[in-house]
Amino acid sequence: QSALTQPASVSGSPGQSITISCTGTSSDVGGYNYVSWHQQHPGKAPKLMIYEVSNRPSGVSNRFSGSKSGNTASLTISGLQAEDEADYYCSSYTSSSTRVVFGGGTKVTVL
Amino acid sequence: QVQLVESGGGVVQPGGSLRLSCAASGFTFSSYGMHWVRQAPGKGLEWVAFMRYDGSYKYYADSVKGRFTISRDNSKNTLYLQMNSLRAEDTAVYYCAKSSTGYSSGCLDYWGQGTLVTVSS
Repeated sequence: QSALTQPASVSGSPGQSITISCTGTSSDVGGYNYVSWHQQHPGKAPKLMIYEVSNRPSGVSNRFSGSKSGNTASLTISGLQAEDEADYYCSSYTSSSTRVVFGGGTKVTVL
Repeated sequence: QVQLVESGGGVVQPGGSLRLSCAASGFTFSSYGMHWVRQAPGKGLEWVAFMRYDGSYKYYADSVKGRFTISRDNSKNTLYLQMNSLRAEDTAVYYCAKSSTGYSSGCLDYWGQGTLVTVSS
């Protein structure tokens, strides 16, 4: 099962907005609304930021938003802050026998 | 609050075996599916295995199929990962994660802190 495709890195200045893409196929991202996004700071466990394409868990800042178009999902971080500097991973349900697939991860740098 | 605590990691020789445990608390363990996810040093997340809430279905990544076995004891609120025929490329931090539902379509909504497995001679 191939990983979902994410850009290796994205950067932005404080206060700006950035968008991270996550491209899959009709067997995963495009076929189901079960796309999630996870944030991981160095040496820490991942944290769920978005689930089911565009829903935020309780306690997650509304600066984080998700969307999907066709086989590509996106995570947008608005009003970028220093604390947003981290790795971000998308994941999706897949109809393949493995059932779950992750993206390769995107390093977000706040300039 | 939800807590997931992994244990059982360590150093093992190639070809060896190890069993990881994940002790869960703060939620009704028997109602939720559970995942194992790993992260090799300096690399991204790799999904490893999933078990449905009642143990009736299990799914594995191709890279571990036939070598790793996921299991759970709902009476002990504990998830396990039996790892056999270990290879150098299995070296990673192993995380257990809770599914938001009893099924594989749920998102991974809580993660443990991970346990390090090193496969080396």
